[in-house]
Amino acid sequence: AQSVSQHNHHVILSEAASLELGCNYSYGGTVNLFWYVQYPGQHLQLLLKYFSGDPLVKGIKGFEAEFIKSKFSFNLRKPSVQWSDTAEYFCAVSGGGADGLTFGKGTHLIIQP
Amino acid sequence: NAGVTQTPKFQVLKTGQSMTLQCAQDMNHNSMYWYRQDPGMGLRLIYYSASEGTTDKGEVPNGYNVSRLNKREFSLRLESAAPSQTSVYFCASSPIRQETQYFGPGTRLLVL
Repeated sequence: AQSVSQHNHHVILSEAASLELGCNYSYGGTVNLFWYVQYPGQHLQLLLKYFSGDPLVKGIKGFEAEFIKSKFSFNLRKPSVQWSDTAEYFCAVSGGGADGLTFGKGTHLIIQP
Repeated sequence: NAGVTQTPKFQVLKTGQSMTLQCAQDMNHNSMYWYRQDPGMGLRLIYYSASEGTTDKGEVPNGYNVSRLNKREFSLRLESAAPSQTSVYFCASSPIRQETQYFGPGTRLLVL
């Protein structure tokens, strides 16, 4: 079965720091990859996605992610975080025999002013 | 467009009570999903409907039933609620399976 690992469960950064959140998945075949964000008290919103093509994808609010097939990874990055980026971030994968999305357990990101 | 809507937003049940969570989407999507979100667990798929007229079990279906009433609506029923079903429930939809899923605002359920 497909599984998704997010390496950091809690991350605390200062404003303007750079961010990288790790995500690895287990299935080696064709997959679609997603990063979702959940702001406090809100529902999940799509940050970015990768289906095919350029492995470096850009999303909303200055986020980007790089798909590295050989490492089964899809890490999320942002060069300079803002206080408003405080949220929970979920990596998710479709494909690999899964019926819906398989989610990682999430990373709780806190940005200190 | 409202996107994906869910009712109710909050619910408190006693053990053994039943209830139905409602979900509707206005994006003409074929596929719909129910997830539960628990602290430190991410989201786990309960049931999904790949298209109107079909439903299938996901990762954690025990204690739940679903109905795909029409293309727009997908309901989740708890026949006899248990404290282990205390969770936040999210409905989602996508144009087809494996495509981007769009989520509703969630239902917070507390079972005492």
